Amino acid sequence: GENVEQHPSTLSVQEGDSAVIKCTYSDSASNYFPWYKQELGKRPQLIIDIRSNVGEKKDQRIAVTLNKTAKHFSLHITETQPEDSAVYFCAASTGGFKTIFGAGTRLFVKA
Amino acid sequence: DVKVTQSSRYLVKRTGEKVFLECVQDMDHENMFWYRQDPGLGLRLIYFSYDVKMKEKGDIPEGYSVSREKKERFSLILESASTNQTSMYLCASSRGQARSEAFFGQGTRLTVV
Repeated sequence: GENVEQHPSTLSVQEGDSAVIKCTYSDSASNYFPWYKQELGKRPQLIIDIRSNVGEKKDQRIAVTLNKTAKHFSLHITETQPEDSAVYFCAASTGGFKTIFGAGTRLFVKA
Repeated sequence: DVKVTQSSRYLVKRTGEKVFLECVQDMDHENMFWYRQDPGLGLRLIYFSYDVKMKEKGDIPEGYSVSREKKERFSLILESASTNQTSMYLCASSRGQARSEAFFGQGTRLTVV
């Protein structure tokens, strides 16, 4: 069936360094790729999304890239800060109601 | 401020009990979802609804049912709770159009003993 693989499961970086989280999806019909951040004890919240007609999208320190040929998409966080510490989920949707989530990446930013 | 509210933050139930998890959204969203969150498995879709009285199975519907009698309310029902249903349950809602942001509730941590 459809699935989304997310790597790494845990990522530890020094404050100020960059962090990269990678996802691979299986359904070639997927055309919407949101990223959610879940802080400890809180609900997941959308931080950025990208649609299949775009290869890259940036919002301040966060950027997402999409390679439709390889069915890869990635989240890039630059100049990481302690408040970036959280679990990040990638997801893929075909545009219908069903969104498949990755298993999550726990990011630790060390001060 | 958008809001999705789940009726309980923590629940402890006994094996075999019928359990109701309630979710209410105040954004007039057409779509509502129930997910289960387990470590290392991400968010797995149990059921979703795109309209009142409409429901569709997700990836792991076994042992669960849902009810949507009003647009703002989506209930998840565990017909006979089992220990393997101990988990974090997240409700979410989104606008009717495809490819729209999902807004999540705060989650209900259910423990079945």
